[in-house]
Amino acid sequence: GDSVTQMEGPVTLSEEAFLTINCTYTATGYPSLFWYVQYPGEGLQLLLKATKADDKGSNKGFEATYRKETTSFHLEKGSVQVSDSAVYFCALSGGGSGGGADGLTFGKGTHLIIQP
Amino acid sequence: EPEVTQTPSHQVTQMGQEVILRCVPISNHLYFYWYRQILGQKVEFLVSFYNNEISEKSEIFDDQFSVERPDGSNFTLKIRSTKLEDSAMYFCASSGTGLTEAFFGQGTRLTVV
Repeated sequence: GDSVTQMEGPVTLSEEAFLTINCTYTATGYPSLFWYVQYPGEGLQLLLKATKADDKGSNKGFEATYRKETTSFHLEKGSVQVSDSAVYFCALSGGGSGGGADGLTFGKGTHLIIQP
Repeated sequence: EPEVTQTPSHQVTQMGQEVILRCVPISNHLYFYWYRQILGQKVEFLVSFYNNEISEKSEIFDDQFSVERPDGSNFTLKIRSTKLEDSAMYFCASSGTGLTEAFFGQGTRLTVV
């Protein structure tokens, strides 16, 4: 079945550092790929998405490029802020034959801690 | 901005009891989902619901679970005869179509004691 693997945390960085959170996936079809963020005490929020190979999703300074050849969707940000501290989840949907209703498959999440 | 709302935010129940978790999806959305996140683990898909019936369900979603859209606004998850291992954060989500992004509620933390 579909699966998502992302780097384990916690990841601790200093403010203004460069961020990469690795994400790779396994899917039988042509999935859409997502990054969700969960701030402390809150629910999941969509951060960015890409629906086909070579698409780049971007939002709030974060970027991720859908790489079909390496089955990857790594999250990057050039200069992180304390307010970026959260848990980041890589996810995919539509990788199987269930169409759009087959839900999201999530990675385990990466806890990011940004120190001032 | 429209949002998915869930109630209650925290529910404590005794083992063996039934609980109903409630969600109000975004009003013009057509697809509804439940996910759960056991503490320290990943978010897991439970079920999707479209056109008043279950579209997909995971192997977690066994006969202990049921979903319902009792009126035009609410979407509920019922867990019968709760077990300790049902303790988790339960997230409701909705999407306009099955292929667009899902919007998540803030979750209901279920604690079974």
